[in-house]
Amino acid sequence: EPEVTQTPSHQVTQMGQEVILRCVPISNHLYFYWYRQILGQKVEFLVSFYNNEISEKSEIFDDQFSVERPDGSNFTLKIRSTKLEDSAMYFCASGGLAGTDTQYFGPGTRLTVL
Amino acid sequence: AQTVTQSQPEMSVQEAETVTLSCTYDTSESDYYLFWYKQPPSRQMILVIRQEAYKQQNATENRFSVNFQKAAKSFSLKISDSQLGDAAMYFCAYRSAKPGNQFYFGTGTSLTVIP
Repeated sequence: EPEVTQTPSHQVTQMGQEVILRCVPISNHLYFYWYRQILGQKVEFLVSFYNNEISEKSEIFDDQFSVERPDGSNFTLKIRSTKLEDSAMYFCASGGLAGTDTQYFGPGTRLTVL
Repeated sequence: AQTVTQSQPEMSVQEAETVTLSCTYDTSESDYYLFWYKQPPSRQMILVIRQEAYKQQNATENRFSVNFQKAAKSFSLKISDSQLGDAAMYFCAYRSAKPGNQFYFGTGTSLTVIP
């Protein structure tokens, strides 16, 4: 069964550094998402991406963040100048065209900012 | 924005018994989808069950079933014959039927299964 994959599984970085989190969505999906989960808290939406542009973003997704689909398979989340409060689990998800489709989540990347 | 409320931060159940996790949501939309996701200690989000709001019949998936009350905006998850592997955090989630819409998650219920 196809699945969403994410790399790396754990990323440790120093405050102020840039990180890129990578995701490979399910191949025939058209919508891509990033979510964040701070330890002990609920999963929060960051951004959705469709047809090579952002379709929706939350207030969390400020200028520090950017997303890109550099090729036909990868979907990346870049965090510029990381802050301590960016430490969280970051989930990538993908879904099909119709609203009936479920979003399938990747295993997550645990980001630790020191 | 839509809100999803899970009023039980923690629940426990004896192995082989049945447990029900509660979820309520607030929306002005008529067409939407509801989900339960399981998050074990590995923190991966695993889909347990989904329900289309236009369907009156409650979804079932093996030992997992839901009680969907659209008028009351309630969406509870029943786990029958609980197993040790069911121990996890369970999140209720809502999404609009509009293509590409985000998920709104509840705060989760931590389920402990007692041997």
